[in-house]
Amino acid sequence: KNEVEQSPQNLTAQEGEFITINCSYSVGISALHWLQQHPGGGIVSLFMLSSGKKKHGRLIATINIQEKHSSLHITASHPRDSAVYICAVQTSGSRLTFGEGTQLTVNP
Amino acid sequence: DAGITQSPRHKVTETGTPVTLRCHQTENHRYMYWYRQDPGHGLRLIHYSYGVKDTDKGEVSDGYSVSRSKTEDFLLTLESATSSQTSVYFCAISEGHLNTEAFFGQGTRLTVV
Repeated sequence: KNEVEQSPQNLTAQEGEFITINCSYSVGISALHWLQQHPGGGIVSLFMLSSGKKKHGRLIATINIQEKHSSLHITASHPRDSAVYICAVQTSGSRLTFGEGTQLTVNP
Repeated sequence: DAGITQSPRHKVTETGTPVTLRCHQTENHRYMYWYRQDPGHGLRLIHYSYGVKDTDKGEVSDGYSVSRSKTEDFLLTLESATSSQTSVYFCAISEGHLNTEAFFGQGTRLTVV
């Protein structure tokens, strides 16, 4: 079993829909990261959080340390949100352990 | 965007040949990392560096070596490339040791034939 599990693996939505991507982990962590990877491959950091909730524009990330679970929400989704979303946890030292990613497709 | 440049962006090489990938940063960040990304796996750490001449192995380090002679450059070398090393390689940097944001390069697609 992977230390970091994401669900769903693939998600297709219509423009405007509210989207939730989930991340569960099995180890103690110091922080959790959400990353975005667009076609063409570049990876961009969206959030880093260790408790509570963070918001950037239409993106919201939450984490529940007790339940070892985080969610990434996208409100009013748009086709330009289509990407792979990756959850990563920071464990010992500076090492990151990554989930396999969620492929999101938002159709117009 | 963080100043990270990977070169080359694409490479096709033959089995048994040596290959060096370069990661160059202009952010003066202490930590640099090499990951590989393969279908069915999350990004996996190959090697990382915590300062000039200070490096350590990651979870998939076999067949790879690294060097960091300057703060800004982190080199990944495949001494004798194998087909199992066909992958997309990402360099990343971070300023600190714990709970700091990581910035990624654009990736290098390596094909070993």
